Amino acid sequence: SQTIHQWPATLVQPVGSPLSLECTVEGTSNPNLYWYRQAAGRGLQLLFYSIGIDQISSEVPQNLSASRPQDRQFILSSKKLLLSDSGFYLCAWKTSGGRIQFFGPGTRLTVL
Amino acid sequence: GENVEQHPSTLSVQEGDSAVIKCTYSDSASNYFPWYKQELGKRPQLIIDIRSNVGEKKDQRIAVTLNKTAKHFSLHITETQPEDSAVYFCAASRIPTFGRGTSLIVHP
Repeated sequence: SQTIHQWPATLVQPVGSPLSLECTVEGTSNPNLYWYRQAAGRGLQLLFYSIGIDQISSEVPQNLSASRPQDRQFILSSKKLLLSDSGFYLCAWKTSGGRIQFFGPGTRLTVL
Repeated sequence: GENVEQHPSTLSVQEGDSAVIKCTYSDSASNYFPWYKQELGKRPQLIIDIRSNVGEKKDQRIAVTLNKTAKHFSLHITETQPEDSAVYFCAASRIPTFGRGTSLIVHP
């Protein structure tokens, strides 16, 4: 069966520090992968999505970037964190021809 | 791109009452409309979905209706229970685009 992992589960970082969040999917090949951010009490904001290795689409211009070095790995990065980057970061996947999206457990990021 | 509006942002009901959450979308090409439930501190999970060739779908106490002409769809929860308390998100399009969420509170 398919599983999705996110690492780390929680993170506290100072303003201006770098960021690297990892998402991995197991049990499927060539999934579509997504990064969402959820600010406290807010909706799901799509940040990036990927339909294949090194194929990344950015939905919101900001100081974040994403990479997909392997088929089942999706990484969210920043060179310098802002206070406004705090939130709950969710990775999601679905099959390339499918409709249902499955979310990972999330990473709670606090920028101080 | 797609734009999804969701109302209300907060909904408070008594146990046993019905709850209705409404969403509108902008892209007439959207053909898939899922609803997710997110409990506090947890990941969103799909509870029901509907495709554009269907007007209504029901699963026990939960139903979703779709009006493609008006470009709106709704989630209906009957006989609400305290464990239904959560944030509910609608979405549209294949990517998909989410609404801002509705915080449903069911009072015992």
